[in-house]
Amino acid sequence: SQQGEEDPQALSIQEGENATMNCSYKTSINNLQWYRQNSGRGLVHLILIRSNEREKHSGRLRVTLDTSKKSSSLLITASRAADTASYFCATDAGGTSYGKLTFGQGTILTVHP
Amino acid sequence: SAVISQKPSRDICQRGTSLTIQCQVDSQVTMMFWYRQQPGQSLTLIATANQGSEATYESGFVIDKFPISRPNLTFSTLTVSNMSPEDSSIYLCSVEIWESSYNEQFFGPGTRLTVL
Repeated sequence: SQQGEEDPQALSIQEGENATMNCSYKTSINNLQWYRQNSGRGLVHLILIRSNEREKHSGRLRVTLDTSKKSSSLLITASRAADTASYFCATDAGGTSYGKLTFGQGTILTVHP
Repeated sequence: SAVISQKPSRDICQRGTSLTIQCQVDSQVTMMFWYRQQPGQSLTLIATANQGSEATYESGFVIDKFPISRPNLTFSTLTVSNMSPEDSSIYLCSVEIWESSYNEQFFGPGTRLTVL
């Protein structure tokens, strides 16, 4: 079952603006990973954040994690048209579910040139 | 990271037939997984492909419908059996890679299946 909820479901912005996507989950996690998917193709791994981490950066990406609220956010700064894609969060609960990812419903991001 | 390939990249099949999807990784990995992404939906885990033993299926997925092989640490197949239009989806394999003590999961390009 899908435990992740993402909002917004769709986001439309202009090039150069920042894009923020949120993910909420229901159970405790070992880590949370963000992925990008272009036009129904394979998933590109963006960033992993562990349960004991609060923030991570990678280039124009900034991910935060609040385990008390069971939520994460992905910020893309200075967006580009090439960032247009669907973005998914996925949680790894660890333990007996180690390695098994549960995906959120995704956010469709459109960046207008 | 890992380079993961899948064959075929897409196929159109008739109802009642079966299709076998291959997943090849460029390095040995312990954990391999198969996911399904139905049209307009997110990804759902089908099963964990275990090397040397039967696959472990998630709730709602059974071996008779989705038999999986894992003959070695770099290769796996997923068969979609006795297909119906409801099986039209993108099927993706993934592998878990340990990088700098992080267990990241990487995905293949997917196989887009259409069942008529």
